[in-house]
Amino acid sequence: NAGVTQTPKFQVLKTGQSMTLQCAQDMNHEYMSWYRQDPGMGLRLIHYSVGAGITDQGEVPNGYNVSRSTTEDFPLRLLSAAPSQTSVYFCASGTGPWTNEKLFFGSGTQLSVL
Amino acid sequence: GIQVEQSPPDLILQEGANSTLRCNFSDSVNNLQWFHQNPWGQLINLFYIPSGTKQNGRLSATTVATERYSLLYISSSQTTDSGVYFCAVGGSYIPTFGRGTSLIVHP
Repeated sequence: NAGVTQTPKFQVLKTGQSMTLQCAQDMNHEYMSWYRQDPGMGLRLIHYSVGAGITDQGEVPNGYNVSRSTTEDFPLRLLSAAPSQTSVYFCASGTGPWTNEKLFFGSGTQLSVL
Repeated sequence: GIQVEQSPPDLILQEGANSTLRCNFSDSVNNLQWFHQNPWGQLINLFYIPSGTKQNGRLSATTVATERYSLLYISSSQTTDSGVYFCAVGGSYIPTFGRGTSLIVHP
C-alpha cells in the first residue's frame, strides 16, 4: 500500500537513552521531513531532506540527527533523550513542503522521555 | 520570525452549519497551506493557497496576501469535519504553523 510508514507508534525512554524513529515511503518522493507536535501547538519542523544524501535543519533541530541514504528511508535519531523531547513526532513526504498535491503524513509516534 | 495567529481557537457547531476560520500572519510570505488533523491525529493538507481563492467540495479558502490573512470556509459542516485546522506559512522549506482552530461538529 502506498503511503508513509512510521514506526514505532509509542515509545517510552529514560533520560539519556538514544533511539531511532523510522520513516519509509514507497512513492519515490524526493522531499521528506520530520515534525514534532507539542500539546496545543502546531507542528514544528525538525529536519528535512530534498533527496538522497541531502538533509538540512528545520526550526528545532537540536538533539536530533537525520540521514538520507536512500530515497525511501528517512530515520530520525535522538542522540541522548531529554524530557523536553517528549512529543508526538510526524514524518511526511511529498513533492515539497508547499504543494497542491497531497502531502503524505505518517500516523505519528508518541514519545515520552522520563 | 513570522507570527501566525489563528482564530477562533475553539469552535463548536451543529451539523449543517457554516463556519469561517481565520489565519493572520505578521509578514509577507510566498507560501501558505491549510491542514486538517482529525481526532485520531491523522494529518492531511487541504489547500496550498498563497493567494486567491480555491474550492474543494464543501471547503474553500481565500488568501489576501497584501493584507496578510487567509480564510478557510466550511459549508454544511459534517461530523467528519471535526478536528484541528492549521494554517502554515513560510518562504521556502521551513513552514511556521499556527496553533490551530479546534472544531467540534455535533450531529
